[in-house]
Amino acid sequence: DAGVIQSPRHEVTEMGQEVTLRCKPISGHDYLFWYRQTMMRGLELLIYFNNNVPIDDSGMPEDRFSAKMPNASFSTLKIQPSEPRDSAVYFCASKQNSMNTEAFFGQGTRLTVV
Amino acid sequence: GQQLNQSPQSMFIQEGEDVSMNCTSSSIFNTWLWYKQDPGEGPVLLIALYKAGELTSNGRLTAQFGITRKDSFLNISASIPSDVGIYFCAGQQRSGNTGKLIFGQGTTLQVKP
Repeated sequence: DAGVIQSPRHEVTEMGQEVTLRCKPISGHDYLFWYRQTMMRGLELLIYFNNNVPIDDSGMPEDRFSAKMPNASFSTLKIQPSEPRDSAVYFCASKQNSMNTEAFFGQGTRLTVV
Repeated sequence: GQQLNQSPQSMFIQEGEDVSMNCTSSSIFNTWLWYKQDPGEGPVLLIALYKAGELTSNGRLTAQFGITRKDSFLNISASIPSDVGIYFCAGQQRSGNTGKLIFGQGTTLQVKP
């Protein structure tokens, strides 16, 4: 397996534009996580899914952020409209099941909103 | 929300020195994990701890799960330049939703050859 795949690796967009980040988890993994990493706040859990169902979205900063998982092999994180303070590295991670603790991370998407 | 307090925030050491970092929480965790992040990459798991008091080694790395379940430490012995990176602790609680991983803020390690 190629691991968790995120796209794009880098995104530069203007304030007010819609941004969509994509993630393909490892095949057979039941859990998918979206994290945001900044210097100030470290790695923050935004939302996670179990079997394509959102379980906890309490980390989503505000209504401008939304995430979907239409099937077991694909998830999106959307920001609309984007703001400069959304600039960060966004990571997707997947985990096999609730008993297995290791979450495998993608390489991240570095988002810059100007 | 829940937080893990990780210290120190950064370390700059000489090659060959030992390193110690720790993580504390006000909540009990049933699993503690230590990850390393290289520049431009996602975090990668180093060590997983499942039992209070457990001491686990992985090469030059040693980690312990605190007896109170509220803390953990990671030691790196005889550091080398490739140890450079950001080290994160992470905790998982088994009650309720079992998948949620909470991360500390990271310890940035720099090693001088």
